[in-house]
Amino acid sequence: EDQVTQSPEALRLQEGESSSLNCSYTVSGLRGLFWYRQDPGKGPEFLFTLYSAGEEKEKERLKATLTKKESFLHITAPKPEDSATYLCAVQANNNDMRFGAGTRLTVKP
Amino acid sequence: KAGVTQTPRYLIKTRGQQVTLSCSPISGHRSVSWYQQTPGQGLQFLFEYFSETQRNKGNFPGRFSGRQFSNSRSEMNVSTLELGDSALYLCASSDPPHNEQFFGPGTRLTVL
Repeated sequence: EDQVTQSPEALRLQEGESSSLNCSYTVSGLRGLFWYRQDPGKGPEFLFTLYSAGEEKEKERLKATLTKKESFLHITAPKPEDSATYLCAVQANNNDMRFGAGTRLTVKP
Repeated sequence: KAGVTQTPRYLIKTRGQQVTLSCSPISGHRSVSWYQQTPGQGLQFLFEYFSETQRNKGNFPGRFSGRQFSNSRSEMNVSTLELGDSALYLCASSDPPHNEQFFGPGTRLTVL
């Protein structure tokens, strides 16, 4: 069965303290891996799509990478406004979409 | 372009009632997916509609159903509501072959 596991569940950083979030997955044929950001009481906001191992995407302080078994979301010099829950989702070749439980990030000033 | 809109934003119902939620996708997007989000289970896929046809279905009971209209707007219906149906219901639209989904703000359903 397809599975998506995110770690850690929660992460507290000081402003400027870089770190990485992990998304491990097992899927029968990867169509795409997606990262989203979700603020409390709102719908998830699309960040990145990765399609194949070795691919990297960047946006401001965020960089997503992909291997055959996991993806990392690197956050460089985070700011308090980066505080949110970050969700990883995997789409299989049969179009099934499965989300991880998310990592709740808190960045303290 | 306007984003995905969902109505209503908040809803309170009692057990046994039924409810219909509405979703208007981004203009030009032909695929609409529905998700249930709860603190314990996270985001769980309900179903996906493309060109008025259900293309994919998650592991939910038959009380959960949906449909899509010719203008790509979608509705989902939950019959015989249970307390455990209390959740944030999210709609997402996409434009195949691009797979990234764009989410609406959700409908917060509370079942008393």
